[in-house]
Amino acid sequence: NAGVMQNPRHLVRRRGQEARLRCSPMKGHSHVYWYRQLPEEGLKFMVYLQKENIIDESGMPKERFSAEFPKEGPSILRIQQVVRGDSAAYFCASSSRLAASYNEQFFGPGTRLTVL
Amino acid sequence: AQSVTQLDSQVPVFEEAPVELRCNYSSSVSVYLFWYVQYPNQGLQLLLKYLSGSTLVKGINGFEAEFNKSQTSFHLRKPSVHISDTAEYFCAVSLPQGAQKLVFGQGTRLTINP
Repeated sequence: NAGVMQNPRHLVRRRGQEARLRCSPMKGHSHVYWYRQLPEEGLKFMVYLQKENIIDESGMPKERFSAEFPKEGPSILRIQQVVRGDSAAYFCASSSRLAASYNEQFFGPGTRLTVL
Repeated sequence: AQSVTQLDSQVPVFEEAPVELRCNYSSSVSVYLFWYVQYPNQGLQLLLKYLSGSTLVKGINGFEAEFNKSQTSFHLRKPSVHISDTAEYFCAVSLPQGAQKLVFGQGTRLTINP
């Protein structure tokens, strides 16, 4: 049973470009969470999605950031017009319905975004 | 709102020595508590969790943690560390109900010296 998959693992963008980060949850998991880790800091919650629904986006910046988890395919975190401050590691976590009941989340390896 | 403070940003210890990584939390309601480990360039792996019941929780790799409600602490301990325990350790909390975000501390970098 493969774990949470994220790609790309490393992404370099120039200021003003768009970044698309993909997350494939573990098989059978329908809950997806995105977190951001800035250098030398802990992880900060961004958004929580279930299939086709955004449940909690209280941690998402109001502009330029969006997330989706379609019925088919991976969850996508999209950052438009990237700025240097967006450089960070972005982690995706997933849960099954059962694991979500006690908030156990399984993390992917992360995507390290560098904005030049 | 909940918050987590990890009191030590870095902890160096010698191999086979005991270690304690400190975690304090703030919350107006009860919480679930977690410790995660992050090896270099990898994602986070769950070490252990406290949901309810016994305040001493045993996890993987010989780690354990004790929940202390009066001191709002959840310190992580290991009686004898190994070189392979070198990693970043994160304490996290969530509300005690399903499908909630995790609130993380800043992390503690554990370095094991031979």
